[in-house]
Amino acid sequence: GAVVSQHPSRVICKSGTSVKIECRSLDFQATTMFWYRQFPKKSLMLMATSNEGSKATYEQGVEKDKFLINHASLTLSTLTVTSAHPEDSSFYICSAGDIGYGYTFGSGTRLTVV
Amino acid sequence: AQTVTQSQPEMSVQEAETVTLSCTYDTSESNYYLFWYKQPPSRQMILVIRQEAYKQQNATENRFSVNFQKAAKSFSLKISDSQLGDTAMYFCAFNPTGTASKLTFGTGTRLQVTL
Repeated sequence: GAVVSQHPSRVICKSGTSVKIECRSLDFQATTMFWYRQFPKKSLMLMATSNEGSKATYEQGVEKDKFLINHASLTLSTLTVTSAHPEDSSFYICSAGDIGYGYTFGSGTRLTVV
Repeated sequence: AQTVTQSQPEMSVQEAETVTLSCTYDTSESNYYLFWYKQPPSRQMILVIRQEAYKQQNATENRFSVNFQKAAKSFSLKISDSQLGDTAMYFCAFNPTGTASKLTFGTGTRLQVTL
């Protein structure tokens, strides 16, 4: 089955620095990947749709300049949180796959900004 | 716009018993997919079961089955012979048929399986 790998699983960074999260499709090509944010005990909130070779599509209210998405190949999408602040601390999850069979999710990244 | 509603924030069931989680949705689409995802304490999202709207037969995956009522826009999940490992957050999700379309999630139901 489709496998999506996400790294790192946990990261702690200082306020004002940037952090990059990678999402890879291991056994299939993904022209589209999705990035979610999840607060404790809450549902997944879609942040943006990552499109290979073109600009990402951001959901309303998501800052494009803070959450930079790059989808330079058919197997890799990256989310960079720029100038991170404590309020950016959260759980970030990516997904990809064939909607007919249900998208596959990465294992998530817990970001803590101190 | 589509909406997905899960009206049960928390539920509890004893081991080996059966429990049903509710989900309703609203859409003007005629064809679409519905999913139930499980998120255990590890926070890994796991697909439990899927249903295509044009199929009248309810989907079944081992101990998991759905009651899909298209006219009522209802998609409940039944877990039979509950196991401790079923303890998790369960999310109902909707997706219109088509390539690379995004999922709309419900707010989730936290299920606790007890001894």
